[in-house]
Order: sequence, then structure tokens, then C-alpha cells
Amino acid sequence: GAVVSQHPSRVICKSGTSVKIECRSLDFQATTMFWYRQFPKQSLMLMATSNEGSKATYEQGVEKDKFLINHASLTLSTLTVTSAHPEDSSFYICSARSEKLFFGSGTQLSVL
Amino acid sequence: GDSVTQMEGPVTLSEEAFLTINCTYTATGYPSLFWYVQYPGEGLQLLLKATKADDKGSNKGFEATYRKETTSFHLEKGSVQVSDSAVYFCALIRNTGGFKTIFGAGTRLFVKA
Repeated sequence: GAVVSQHPSRVICKSGTSVKIECRSLDFQATTMFWYRQFPKQSLMLMATSNEGSKATYEQGVEKDKFLINHASLTLSTLTVTSAHPEDSSFYICSARSEKLFFGSGTQLSVL
Repeated sequence: GDSVTQMEGPVTLSEEAFLTINCTYTATGYPSLFWYVQYPGEGLQLLLKATKADDKGSNKGFEATYRKETTSFHLEKGSVQVSDSAVYFCALIRNTGGFKTIFGAGTRLFVKA
């Protein structure tokens, strides 16, 4: 079946640095990918919809300049958390759509 | 390890029919349980949730009860509408060890007028 690979699975960084998370569809082309954020003990929150070759569509309340999304090809979308702060610590997960929706394994970000 | 199993789809129903989508889970401890919905062309949205045994989550006419004795969280709706056509995902969140979400494979629902 289709697989979505997300890297890294865990990252610890210092406050003020930027972190890039990659989401790849391994055996299918995904014109649309989604990025979610999850706080401890809470449900997933959709952050943005990433469309190949165009600008991402951000949900209300999500800072575009803070969470940079690039969908340069049909198999790769990246989320960059710029100038990370401790409040950005969270679990980030991507999904990609083929005939169904497939999820990456998630990235646990911890900002010190 | 922890897992979520959903009934395979697609499920095709006529408008006003009764809907049940089965979901069972395997997990250590006491996870929180969720149903998410993905409408055509959109991202995932939270539909309802339950955080402890015997809790009932409800929203938009959908209901699901957290049954620890049967490790189930079946989604039900008494009368579906065409607008309910979507993909439904059952999920659990472990309340220890990083709070990672584990999703079921998703069940596609088609509702005919």
C-alpha cells in the first residue's frame, strides 16, 4: 500500500533555530498534502493544506511566516518552523492524498 | 504495539439510513479515542472524541461510546445525509510516551440521494 515517510521522527533544538520537517509520498504522487499539529492529550489540528506548485493554504490562526510550507514536487512537502520557541514544541504530522489519505509517522519537536 | 482497526469500506448507504462504522483498538493503559472526518478535497477535521471509559462523544448527529470492555469506539448516526459522504478515521492517542496519534486506515462513506 501507499506509504508516507516523515522525517525526522524526533528533533530537539535550541530556541531561535529553525527546523525543517520533510514529508514524502514514497510510491504515489500527491498533489495535496496536509500538515497537522497536536498538543499533548489533544486532538490533531489542521495547520495548512499544501498544494504542489502553489502557495499553501493556512488555517485561521496559523502564522504563515512562522510555519513555512513548501511543496516543490509531487512527492515532497516540507514544513519549516522558523525561529522556534518552546511554545512551538509539539507533535507535527503530515498526510498525503492519493485515492485515500495516508499519514506520516509524525515528528516530535522539542524546543529548549 | 498500539493499533486501531476499522471496518473496510467503502460503505454505501441511501439517504436517511442508519450508519455504523466499527472501530476497535489495542492499547496499553487508557488512551483517548477520536473520530476524524475528511470531506472531499479537504483536510482532516475532528468529529468527536471520548477520553475515558463509558464516555460518549457526539457531534453533528454522530455518536460514539468508549467501550473499554470490548475495546471499541463504533461511530453511529441515525439518519445519514448526502453531505455526510466523506472518509472517516478512528484514532487513539496514548496518554503516555509522547502522545502520538495512531490512526485507523479510514472508511469511505458514500450516501446516495
